[in-house]
Amino acid sequence: ETGVTQTPRHLVMGMTNKKSLKCEQHLGHNAMYWYKQSAKKPLELMFVYNFKEQTENNSVPSRFSPECPNSSHLFLHLHTLQPEDSALYLCASSQAARDYYTDTQYFGPGTRLTVL
Amino acid sequence: KQEVTQIPAALSVPEGENLVLNCSFTDSAIYNLQWFRQDPGKGLTSLLLIQSSQREQTSGRLNASLDKSSGRSTLYIAASQPGDSATYLCAVRPSRAGNNRKLIWGLGTSLAVNP
Repeated sequence: ETGVTQTPRHLVMGMTNKKSLKCEQHLGHNAMYWYKQSAKKPLELMFVYNFKEQTENNSVPSRFSPECPNSSHLFLHLHTLQPEDSALYLCASSQAARDYYTDTQYFGPGTRLTVL
Repeated sequence: KQEVTQIPAALSVPEGENLVLNCSFTDSAIYNLQWFRQDPGKGLTSLLLIQSSQREQTSGRLNASLDKSSGRSTLYIAASQPGDSATYLCAVRPSRAGNNRKLIWGLGTSLAVNP
């Protein structure tokens, strides 16, 4: 596998379920990101991990819980979600989150989440 | 507060046309501006990154320009092909102190190139 992979690609869950999204990057990058993409809204940055340390949490509800066990893997644990959480969840990685001039993010294909 | 606007929201052209996508931003204090492509049901692919000190970047049939003082960028696609059909997203990285320097995104331009 190359680039950034995400599983599952599609997920349907009830509001009382617990599920996890997985992201893996094969690029040797040091930073990983979770984004939420909803229709008619700009991409929303949720979390940033830099060298396995969480450096940003953009006021994300606690029903979303990230985990970064190493620089290559990122998880998003989901529990008691709401229907408005239905969206495309994108994972990205980059070489260095603090190299502001040239840092480019590489995205996975996303997980299409539907909350019933 | 930095805001990014992309016009038009949607564009449909016949194959072979040269076309321009526009991106505007409200605060010129940026580290860079980036153009991404998103195919339906897929993630984003980085196309071009223009640093704040640069005026343009080119990759194949794509050319992106940056006019920081006026808060504008254009993405020029030469000799468009049906395979160029996708949504094109613009994002800026703010440099103003006090901002967490996260990318600020536009809503994208949905491009359809018809054979």
